[in-house]
Formats: sequence, C-alpha cells, structure tokens
Amino acid sequence: AQKVTQAQTEISVVEKEDVTLDCVYETRDTTYYLFWYKQPPSGELVFLIRRNSFDEQNEISGRYSWNFQKSTSSFNFTITASQVVDSAVYFCALSGPNTGNQFYFGTGTSLTVIP
Amino acid sequence: GAVVSQHPSWVICKSGTSVKIECRSLDFQATTMFWYRQFPKQSLMLMATSNEGSKATYEQGVEKDKFLINHASLTLSTLTVTSAHPEDSSFYICSARPHRGGTYEQYFGPGTRLTVT
Repeated sequence: AQKVTQAQTEISVVEKEDVTLDCVYETRDTTYYLFWYKQPPSGELVFLIRRNSFDEQNEISGRYSWNFQKSTSSFNFTITASQVVDSAVYFCALSGPNTGNQFYFGTGTSLTVIP
Repeated sequence: GAVVSQHPSWVICKSGTSVKIECRSLDFQATTMFWYRQFPKQSLMLMATSNEGSKATYEQGVEKDKFLINHASLTLSTLTVTSAHPEDSSFYICSARPHRGGTYEQYFGPGTRLTVT
C-alpha cells in the first residue's frame, strides 16, 4: 500500500531560522516518484520538486534543500533562513506506475514563519 | 507551459442545486485528469480518475451519481456536483496528466472553492 506520513502537523519558526519538514513514505514499488508541494492560503498547489526512486542525490535550490534517503524511506525538506513568505502548508506526495500514477498525499505540515 | 485552469475559482450555491466545475489543460493534451477534494486543514483526497472518452473511475466512498465527471476531450474535464448539500462545501482541485510525457507528470489546477448554503 502507498502511504505518506508527515508527522509534523504545525511548525512555527522565527524568521531566519532553518526548518526541516519531515516526510516518510511506504510503497512496495521499486519505481516511484516523490514530490513536495507548497499550498499558500490562496489554495493553489505550487510544485517544488520531484524525485524518482533511482536518484538519491540530495538537491539544493536556493534556500530549499531536499534529503532523500531510501534506507529510511524519507524525503525531508529543509528551508534555510526562513522568510515570512514561506508560511504555507507543505505537502509531500508519492506516486508510482503500479497504482496508476495517482498521487498519495501526506496530511501536510502547516508552517508559520514569525517575523 | 503545462498550465491547468479551473472555472469557476469559487462558487456559492443553494442547497439542492447542481454546480459544474471545469478543468482545462491550456497548453497540452491530457489523457487523464484527476479530481481531488480538500476539506479545511486537511489533505487532498482523490475522488476520481477520468480518462478521455471513457467512464471515470471513482474512489471508494465517492458517490458517482452525486459527482458526475465527464472527460469529453483531451483538454477538458468537468465535475458536476448534483443536488449539492452543505456537506459538499469544499475545495475541489483537478490535475491533468499530459498525453505525451512521463507517466509521473501531473499538473494541478488552482482549485475551486464551493460553498453550499
């Protein structure tokens, strides 16, 4: 079964602090894809990153970085030097060819950056 | 590229009426479109998967007679909430998978906020 767990429901940090959002997934597929999306108050999902199961390289994009570890089935997301504009709900998602490529979303982590 | 639009962005309707929500892929053709529902402070839950020219596949617990999905073309899918009730009030999001491209690709629309009074 496909499952994504985001144990952190809500996180508050003070501006300029670093923050890591955790994502743990379960799948029996050998090929799968992991995603992170940002959902600001407007509701529109903003795509942040996609990772396939064969690429465990960590990635950095500006203040964002992602740590993918298959050994622990985790795909954590770190925001460095957080800003107020980072306040949003962040979703981790999983998809795979054996389940019709539908997305399985975690329950989301609501991040509040306090100025 | 890869833009998905939804119309309307928000709608208020009276209990008992029907509401149609459109999902369009603007710059690509979509073989498959997905419809999600999101209640406040909750995650996205897949309602149904629609393939162009065929009947939609509904997730368990989703009433297909209440949520009518039509995917008549490669760029348009519609969700009709029939005889809406206040409990149908939610944020509805569609996504589209390109006809050509990786099977993992899926692009999300901006969502439609439905309020049933």
